[in-house]
Amino acid sequence: DAGVTQSPTHLIKTRGQQVTLRCSPKSGHDTVSWYQQALGQGPQFIFQYYEEEERQRGNFPDRFSGHQFPNYSSELNVNALLLGDSALYLCASSLDRENSPLHFGNGTRLTVT
Amino acid sequence: GEDVEQSLFLSVREGDSSVINCTYTDSSSTYLYWYKQEPGAGLQLLTYIFSNMDMKQDQRLTVLLNKKDKHLSLRIADTQTGDSAIYFCAERTPDSSYKLIFGSGTRLLVRP
Repeated sequence: DAGVTQSPTHLIKTRGQQVTLRCSPKSGHDTVSWYQQALGQGPQFIFQYYEEEERQRGNFPDRFSGHQFPNYSSELNVNALLLGDSALYLCASSLDRENSPLHFGNGTRLTVT
Repeated sequence: GEDVEQSLFLSVREGDSSVINCTYTDSSSTYLYWYKQEPGAGLQLLTYIFSNMDMKQDQRLTVLLNKKDKHLSLRIADTQTGDSAIYFCAERTPDSSYKLIFGSGTRLLVRP
């Protein structure tokens, strides 16, 4: 039973560029959340997708956008990259139930130069 | 406001018990979680507790919840070198039930 998988594992981009990160949820899960983890910090909630719609959003600018596909996989897009966007981006999946815990992937390490 | 606080660092000797503490601000939190993160990896769910419980035990892990003081702790019995990692507590609240609010993590170092 595959867990949450993310690609790529590492990425280096230049300021101003755009990036797309990908996530496949754990088998049976229908909800995908994205988190940003800066070095030495805890993860910060970016947004959550359910039924191909953004359901809730954290305190992130519109440069951060996402998408969920009919097979429940998801993408995170970041436009006009800034140096401060360098972080580990974590995808988490769950069921659409209050008591369903989040299961995380290993993340994508994004470095913006 | 949203704020989950943890101490930054804990060092214990192999075989001893470790206790990692966490305080949260929202008394209406419904679920509280403990995650483990090893270097270069994502977050691994260790255990979670519903807010109407005081304690939950799962093998070497014991979670204690004091709702009055908004304090959560994770006790690891017989700590092993493989337990060295960063431990995060996180809360889920009714008004933001789709997201988890994480602390900054406690780095646990287990000395042989």
